[in-house]
Amino acid sequence: KNQVEQSPQSLIILEGKNCTLQCNYTVSPFSNLRWYKQDTGRGPVSLTIMTFSENTKSNGRYTATLDADTKQSSLHITASQLSDSASYICVVSGPEAGKSTFGDGTTLTVKP
Amino acid sequence: EAQVTQNPRYLITVTGKKLTVTCSQNMNHEYMSWYRQDPGLGLRQIYYSMNVEVTDKGDVPEGYKVSRKEKRNFPLILESPSPNQTSLYFCASKNRGASGSSFTYEQYFGPGTRLTVT
Repeated sequence: KNQVEQSPQSLIILEGKNCTLQCNYTVSPFSNLRWYKQDTGRGPVSLTIMTFSENTKSNGRYTATLDADTKQSSLHITASQLSDSASYICVVSGPEAGKSTFGDGTTLTVKP
Repeated sequence: EAQVTQNPRYLITVTGKKLTVTCSQNMNHEYMSWYRQDPGLGLRQIYYSMNVEVTDKGDVPEGYKVSRKEKRNFPLILESPSPNQTSLYFCASKNRGASGSSFTYEQYFGPGTRLTVT
């Protein structure tokens, strides 16, 4: 069964600090992995998309890494801001366009 | 502005009263999906559509229907809502891009519909 596991479930950091969120998956065959940011009560917004041939992708202060061999990904947030407080969701897709497997998300709280 | 819109945003209804949540996208996307999100369970796919008149079940389709008569619209229908369908619902659409040797799909989500069934 395809699964996506994220850790930690929740994380609290101080403003200005860095943090790293983890995503392990068992989806096979693999096509791409996406990280989303979801503010409370709003729809997820895409941060990065990576295929198996890409091992790092950046979007401003967000940097995602992918190890397709070990089926692990991480999202690194640099110099956190209060607005980074949100849920971060890892989504892994196979080649079939309509199907994706979602992780349960990591809830990040950035405190002043 | 490229966007996915959903209506209504909030809905309180009673058990058994048929309802429809509309979803529309203005990006000419082929693929559209419906998800529900519940605390501790993350986003779960209800139905998806790969093109007009092509729909398929996701992970939790029971109690829901969809239709795709036009490319831009993908309504979610609850024929006889029950309290266990109280949830936050998201519609999403995808385009198709290329990156290296694989296709990547940028997925855009709507703002969500919070449904309460009493």
